[in-house]
Amino acid sequence: AQKITQTQPGMFVQEKEAVTLDCTYDTSDQSYGLFWYKQPSSGEMIFLIYQGSYDEQNATEGRYSLNFQKARKSANLVISASQLGDSAMYFCAMREVRIQGAQKLVFGQGTRLTINP
Amino acid sequence: DSGVTQTPKHLITATGQRVTLRCSPRSGDLSVYWYQQSLDQGLQFLIQYYNGEERAKGNILERFSAQQFPDLHSELNLSSLELGDSALYFCASSLRLNTEAFFGQGTRLTVV
Repeated sequence: AQKITQTQPGMFVQEKEAVTLDCTYDTSDQSYGLFWYKQPSSGEMIFLIYQGSYDEQNATEGRYSLNFQKARKSANLVISASQLGDSAMYFCAMREVRIQGAQKLVFGQGTRLTINP
Repeated sequence: DSGVTQTPKHLITATGQRVTLRCSPRSGDLSVYWYQQSLDQGLQFLIQYYNGEERAKGNILERFSAQQFPDLHSELNLSSLELGDSALYFCASSLRLNTEAFFGQGTRLTVV
């Protein structure tokens, strides 16, 4: 079974600094997808970035980039120039593909990021 | 705004009762997923529908059931509710089976 591990329960960062949120995964599949979601205190889950296992370049979306190291099975999220609004819970997830194209997302336990002014 | 609409946003009910959570996917999305988020279990996949058909089942209790209607909206029915069913229930949708899923704002269910 696939597994996502986020080893940082909480992180505190000064505003405007870059921050790296760790994510390691375990899978025997050759084809998979990795996602990061942000969950602010209001509760909604906001999609941030996606990396496919065959993508040769690291994914980037604005201030978010994904540091994908396939051999190490890691997919760390990097947020550049952090802002107060980045304070939230961050989840790493992996798409598990089953027969007939059925899929589900397997989530890590999350990292609570707090940006200090 | 993800484009996925969930109603109601909050629900308080008593043990033993039955509730229905509703989800309208993003326009054009064919796949709908249901997830449960609780403090002790984290985010757990419940069930997936694609164009009206059930495609995948996760840790969904027998007391829970779901369906996707011809207009692609979905409902999650929770019956014989227990205190432990209190959680945030998310619906997500995706265009196809292998594209990213966008989540609704969730329904916070409290069972008292």
